[in-house]
Amino acid sequence: GENVEQHPSTLSVQEGDSAVIKCTYSDSASNYFPWYKQELGKGPQLIIDIRSNVGEKKDQRIAVTLNKTAKHFSLHITETQPEDSAVYFCAASQNSGGYQKVTFGIGTKLQVIP
Amino acid sequence: DVKVTQSSRYLVKRTGEKVFLECVQDMDHENMFWYRQDPGLGLRLIYFSYDVKMKEKGDIPEGYSVSREKKERFSLILESASTNQTSMYLCASRRKTGRSSYNSPLHFGNGTRLTVT
Repeated sequence: GENVEQHPSTLSVQEGDSAVIKCTYSDSASNYFPWYKQELGKGPQLIIDIRSNVGEKKDQRIAVTLNKTAKHFSLHITETQPEDSAVYFCAASQNSGGYQKVTFGIGTKLQVIP
Repeated sequence: DVKVTQSSRYLVKRTGEKVFLECVQDMDHENMFWYRQDPGLGLRLIYFSYDVKMKEKGDIPEGYSVSREKKERFSLILESASTNQTSMYLCASRRKTGRSSYNSPLHFGNGTRLTVT
């Protein structure tokens, strides 16, 4: 089955700096890569996603890049703010027996220091 | 906005008890999921349901069962709770996706933190 590795597991940055979280996946059949943000006491929420036919996608201060050849995808947050502090999960999704199976990374705890 | 509501925020149960975790979504989503979240292990899929009355095992179904009698409601059942089932449980729903269609994202509830003593 699919295996998603995510690193780092924790990340501390100064407010205003950039943060990068990296993930790798093992199965070339994966075709959809969402990123979720989980704030304290809440469930994960989708913040950005990318499909396998796209190399990069941006939404204001966040961007995701995908390298299908290397099976890498990354989340980039620029001009970090304290409210960006949260746990971030990457995921890879693929067709499996007629449905879309989602495999998550272990999460990255991001702390933005004011 | 999609709302996924989990009936309990915190739950404390004794070993051997039968435990029901309830989840309701209000967006007419076909697919529903139960995950457990543990530090260092991420989110692991317990069971999911394509549609009403349907259920499929996920990656860690042992010790759990589910029920989906109505489209909006998906219940996770621990037949005989054990201490290793102490965890955060997350319910999610998703619009139905076809084999070649765009993958719709998961919408999560805020979780139920279950402690089994």
